[in-house]
Amino acid sequence: DAGVIQSPRHEVTEMGQEVTLRCKPISGHDYLFWYRQTMMRGLELLIYFNNNVPIDDSGMPEDRFSAKMPNASFSTLKIQPSEPRDSAVYFCASSPPGGYGYTFGSGTRLTVV
Amino acid sequence: AQSVTQLDSQVPVFEEAPVELRCNYSSSVSVYLFWYVQYPNQGLQLLLKYLSGSTLVKGINGFEAEFNKSQTSFHLRKPSVHISDTAEYFCAVSDSGGSNYKLTFGKGTLLTVNP
Repeated sequence: DAGVIQSPRHEVTEMGQEVTLRCKPISGHDYLFWYRQTMMRGLELLIYFNNNVPIDDSGMPEDRFSAKMPNASFSTLKIQPSEPRDSAVYFCASSPPGGYGYTFGSGTRLTVV
Repeated sequence: AQSVTQLDSQVPVFEEAPVELRCNYSSSVSVYLFWYVQYPNQGLQLLLKYLSGSTLVKGINGFEAEFNKSQTSFHLRKPSVHISDTAEYFCAVSDSGGSNYKLTFGKGTLLTVNP
């Protein structure tokens, strides 16, 4: 299994531009999570899906952030418009039913200048 | 709501010394507990987990952790560390009783192993 695959690995964009981060979960995993990691705030859960349905988006910081999961093998996190304070590493993780631990992707390092 | 406190933000040790990374949690319900490791510029990797049963849990790379319900702790230990153990370690908790599978993470402990 290739694990959780995220793209791109690095993204540098200008303030105001739209940014789309992508994630392919492990086949058979019903849960998908998006986390953001910064030095100041640590790991924050943004949103998670179960069977492609958003379950909890209370961690999404603002309306500028949106996430979709159109099918079991693909999810996107979009920021529009982006701001410098959105600079962080964004992780996607997936989990089988039971909550017995996630598998994380390698992350996308986003820099907004 | 659940929370996790990792008591040390940084732990420097010498190679072959023992190490303990401390983790305390707060929850009103039964929990699952996890330790993850993050090497530089990589994602998080599961080290070990406590779901039920024996309170002493063994994981990869020679790490182990002990669940202490009365102390609400889940400290991570290794009897002899290597340079390659230098990384950030995260403790995490989730609700074991329902269908809420989201993990709450601590702030992390940076373990630096010096020669």
